[in-house]
Amino acid sequence: DTAVSQTPKYLVTQMGNDKSIKCEQNLGHDTMYWYKQDSKKFLKIMFSYNNKELIINETVPNRFSPKSPDKAHLNLHINSLELGDSAVYFCASSQQARYEQYFGPGTRLTVT
Amino acid sequence: EDKVVQSPLSLVVHEGDTVTLNCSYEVTNFRSLLWYKQEKKAPTFLFMLTSSGIEKKSGRLSSILDKKELSSILNITATQTGDSAIYLCAPRGSGSARQLTFGSGTQLTVLP
Repeated sequence: DTAVSQTPKYLVTQMGNDKSIKCEQNLGHDTMYWYKQDSKKFLKIMFSYNNKELIINETVPNRFSPKSPDKAHLNLHINSLELGDSAVYFCASSQQARYEQYFGPGTRLTVT
Repeated sequence: EDKVVQSPLSLVVHEGDTVTLNCSYEVTNFRSLLWYKQEKKAPTFLFMLTSSGIEKKSGRLSSILDKKELSSILNITATQTGDSAIYLCAPRGSGSARQLTFGSGTQLTVLP
């Protein structure tokens, strides 16, 4: 069974489009995250979220918005895509913020 | 701003060698430090360290934290080709309690 899954695995789209990436975890965790990994392999936190609080990294443009229909899902919606948004996006989850995080397989986004 | 420096950036060894990977950090009100292994896809969790001087072991891998020196090391003994990966260090501080700050990683290549 896949613990943290993401769809799609690959996403190629044009500048200006709006797209969403979905994430689901079946670990029963209460906290979920979105990370961006750029071409230099730096993993940077974008959002962390549990059912009580959303924490946004201040460097994330407001074109990015997380949406959580329930505890097991945290989707990432991106408006007006730009070339610089091309990266691999990872979803992760943990049982409370202080414990280890488990990562999904990543979504490679290419904006042309 | 939290900072993490990993060294070396890359390392090439032969099977059977022992390697030591380093992580230095500056985070606000340090809470824990996590090590991850990233092969082609998602980072996978290795260790979480919270106390100085207590070694965590898993098979041929071990890690220890030195809170006085603000550093951690990851040792891999009797390396195998399957150990080839990027090893990521991620400290967590209470300033951003749900957020890990990832280093750029050490790219380890183990040759047969």
